[in-house]
Amino acid sequence: KQEVTQIPAALSVPEGENLVLNCSFTDSAIYNLQWFRQDPGKGLTSLLLIQSSQREQTSGRLNASLDKSSGRSTLYIAASQPGDSATYLCAVITSLAGTALIFGKGTTLSVSS
Amino acid sequence: GAVVSQHPSRVICKSGTSVKIECRSLDFQATTMFWYRQFPKQSLMLMATSNEGSKATYEQGVEKDKFLINHASLTLSTLTVTSAHPEDSSFYICSASYGTGSYDGYTFGSGTRLTVV
Repeated sequence: KQEVTQIPAALSVPEGENLVLNCSFTDSAIYNLQWFRQDPGKGLTSLLLIQSSQREQTSGRLNASLDKSSGRSTLYIAASQPGDSATYLCAVITSLAGTALIFGKGTTLSVSS
Repeated sequence: GAVVSQHPSRVICKSGTSVKIECRSLDFQATTMFWYRQFPKQSLMLMATSNEGSKATYEQGVEKDKFLINHASLTLSTLTVTSAHPEDSSFYICSASYGTGSYDGYTFGSGTRLTVV
């Protein structure tokens, strides 16, 4: 059974710092991995999608990497800002169409000004 | 593109009543939609997979008679919490794949905060 783990559970940094969020999964046979952001009491916003054939994706100050063989992904946030404060969720899918995402518990990030 | 609209965003109901949550794909057809439940400071837990025109597939431990799912069209899925109790209070989120399959990622509704009093 696929399990997704995110470390750390919570992280507090001062504004301007670069930071890395970690995600690991137990079954390396994934089709894609997706990073989401969730603000308190809100739905999910997709940040980056990495397909199994890819090793990384970038969007603005965000960079996500994927190492399927080791079952790991990282989300790198450059020059963090208070507006980045949110919970970041990592999710994988291990089958073809019709299968739901499997989520980690998330990392709650707090960026202080 | 690939927007999923979920309503209501917040609902308070009395214990014993039923609540319906709607999830619509606005600019694409969603053959499959997923319903998740999230408790405070916990991750999203899959409740059921909703397939258009067929019965939903429920995860282990989820009562299908309590959480009724209907996916009558390619753009609408509904979750009805029947005879709600305080322990059903939670955050419910729907999701749909917006591509040709799992390769294209998933988009989520904005969620529904259900409070049963």
